Amino acid sequence: AQSVTQLDSQVPVFEEAPVELRCNYSSSVSVYLFWYVQYPNQGLQLLLKYLSGSTLVKGINGFEAEFNKSQTSFHLRKPSVHISDTAEYFCAVSDISSGSARQLTFGSGTQLTVLP
Amino acid sequence: EAGVVQSPRYKIIEKKQPVAFWCNPISGHNTLYWYRQNLGQGPELLIRYENEEAVDDSQLPKDRFSAERLKGVDSTLKIQPAELGDSAVYLCASSLRGGHGYTFGSGTRLTVV
Repeated sequence: AQSVTQLDSQVPVFEEAPVELRCNYSSSVSVYLFWYVQYPNQGLQLLLKYLSGSTLVKGINGFEAEFNKSQTSFHLRKPSVHISDTAEYFCAVSDISSGSARQLTFGSGTQLTVLP
Repeated sequence: EAGVVQSPRYKIIEKKQPVAFWCNPISGHNTLYWYRQNLGQGPELLIRYENEEAVDDSQLPKDRFSAERLKGVDSTLKIQPAELGDSAVYLCASSLRGGHGYTFGSGTRLTVV
């Protein structure tokens, strides 16, 4: 079984400032890692995913994340945020060994609020 | 291409009443998921379908919840009778078999009063 911990429930940041949203996971097996974004009253949209290869993953809207296996982390970063980045962000993992069963286990989310 | 379509977007019902949610996945996506998202939390899996077969329903409260996916395309999730604690957003998602990362629908926000 896996678990995901998002260390900050709320992150306020000023426009054009950098931001990091933290995610740590726990798993006894290798995992795939994902970040999703949820705008108000909408479903979840995939930002980026780490499956294998380079540990630095680039996603949509200028976001990137770095997989750190030794620290079991997958922190999300953006060098300069915009008002439109205000949303809830979810980190998720799935078990590589589960074959076709790509069940996602989600963290509890981080509300990013970009201030003018 | 059309995304995952869910209806209704919002539903308010009284406790003990039945309710149903509908999901139309992306064309060609074999795998369909129903998740429940409680306020302030991440989504939690209720049931997963591979085509028309429910292959993981271990977290579905079977005393009041049921689901079906006729012909391996559309799916319906039903609650009967609803309880106050069922108030949540119900999300449907689909993916190709073995796919990494799903496409989610916009969800149905259920309020039980």
